[in-house]
Amino acid sequence: AQTVTQSQPEMSVQEAETVTLSCTYDTSESNYYLFWYKQPPSRQMILVIRQEAYKQQNATENRFSVNFQKAAKSFSLKISDSQLGDTAMYFCAFMNHLTAVDSNYQLIWGAGTKLIIKP
Amino acid sequence: DAGVIQSPRHEVTEMGQEVTLRCKPISGHDYLFWYRQTMMRGLELLIYFNNNVPIDDSGMPEDRFSAKMPNASFSTLKIQPSEPRDSAVYFCASSLRDRGLRGYTFGSGTRLTVV
Repeated sequence: AQTVTQSQPEMSVQEAETVTLSCTYDTSESNYYLFWYKQPPSRQMILVIRQEAYKQQNATENRFSVNFQKAAKSFSLKISDSQLGDTAMYFCAFMNHLTAVDSNYQLIWGAGTKLIIKP
Repeated sequence: DAGVIQSPRHEVTEMGQEVTLRCKPISGHDYLFWYRQTMMRGLELLIYFNNNVPIDDSGMPEDRFSAKMPNASFSTLKIQPSEPRDSAVYFCASSLRDRGLRGYTFGSGTRLTVV
């Protein structure tokens, strides 16, 4: 069974610093999709960034970028120039490509990392 | 696009009462998911629908929970009778199956408190 592990329950950094959140996953498949979602105190779940496993290039979205290491099954999220508004729970999620094209269409979620940005 | 719309945003009810949570998915999306989130158990998938048909309800905790999707633009999650341990945030999410890359779009959630 596929699993997603976020080993850091909580992290805290100063505003403007760079922070990296870790995520590892387990799968025997070669093609899949990976996601980072953000859940601020408002509780809205927001898609931050996504990556297709067959793409070598790491995805970036403004201050957010990923370090995708397929062989190591690692998908870390880097937040540059962190801002107070980045304070949130961050969830890593996985979807098998085969899952995505049949009726069993589910994201597998990590337990989340609580990130606190201090002023 | 208004996004996924859930109502109510907050619900406080007494134990034993019936509770109905509502969700309007994004127009054109063919999948709808109901999740429950608690501090102890994190995010739990309760049930999901494809083209209004329930695909997997194995996450529904017990017979007190039921979900329906009578049409492509509306779904309900009902708890009858409610219990204090049902207190949680309930999320609805929708998605358009497009090789999976789109992920899910979530509603703002309903915070349910059963006293």
